[in-house]
Amino acid sequence: NAGVTQTPKFQVLKTGQSMTLQCAQDMNHNSMYWYRQDPGMGLRLIYYSASEGTTDKGEVPNGYNVSRLNKREFSLRLESAAPSQTSVYFCASSESGTGGREQYFGPGTRLTVT
Amino acid sequence: RKEVEQDPGPFNVPEGATVAFNCTYSNSASQSFFWYRQDCRKEPKLLMSVYSSGNEDGRFTAQLNRASQYISLLIRDSKLSDSATYLCVVNTGAGSYQLTFGKGTKLSVIP
Repeated sequence: NAGVTQTPKFQVLKTGQSMTLQCAQDMNHNSMYWYRQDPGMGLRLIYYSASEGTTDKGEVPNGYNVSRLNKREFSLRLESAAPSQTSVYFCASSESGTGGREQYFGPGTRLTVT
Repeated sequence: RKEVEQDPGPFNVPEGATVAFNCTYSNSASQSFFWYRQDCRKEPKLLMSVYSSGNEDGRFTAQLNRASQYISLLIRDSKLSDSATYLCVVNTGAGSYQLTFGKGTKLSVIP
C-alpha cells in the first residue's frame, strides 16, 4: 500500500517551459488536492477534485491546470513556467464528505524555475 | 484576520519538557480540526484529529474550544524525535471539505 505517490521528486525548468506533475493514490479516496508550499506562506491550495470528473479552483490557481484522469490519478500542469512558480508541490487525497476529512500527502515535488 | 493563526516559534525545549502550542481560527462554522506534523523537507503527516471533548494519544493531548475558536496541542515528556513543525489545520467552513493550514510552529527538542 504505497499511499500517495508523486513524480518527479525534483525538477528544474527554464522560464516558459511546460511540465506535468503526476500524482496517484491507492487508498480508494474520492477527493484529491494540489498544494504549493513556500517559505513563510504555509500550504496553499491550487486546485482540488472532489470526485472523479470534477475539478475546482483553490486559493492560487493562476498559471496551473489540472486533470483528474481517473479515481486514482490527478495531474497538475504548468503551461508556461515562471520563476514565481518555484516551490514545493504536494498532492493529497482524502475520503469525500462534508465537514472536512483528514488528508494524506505525497512526498512532494521540488520545482525550480530559472 | 488570517484564517488559521499559530505562533511560528521556534520553541526550543529540553528533552523531557512539556510544551504547548496554540492556534486560533477565524471561521466559526468550521467543523473539523487537526494537528499535522511536518519534518524538514518532508510532507505533512496527520498527527491527530481534534474533537470537542478533547482527546489524547500517548504523550499528545489536543483540546478544542469552539466558543473561543481556539485549538491547543500539548506534548508531554518531549523526545528528540518530536522536533518538527506542527501545523494547525481547520476545515474551511460549514459543509466544506477543504482544509486551511496554519503556517506552523517549529519545535526543537534539545538534548
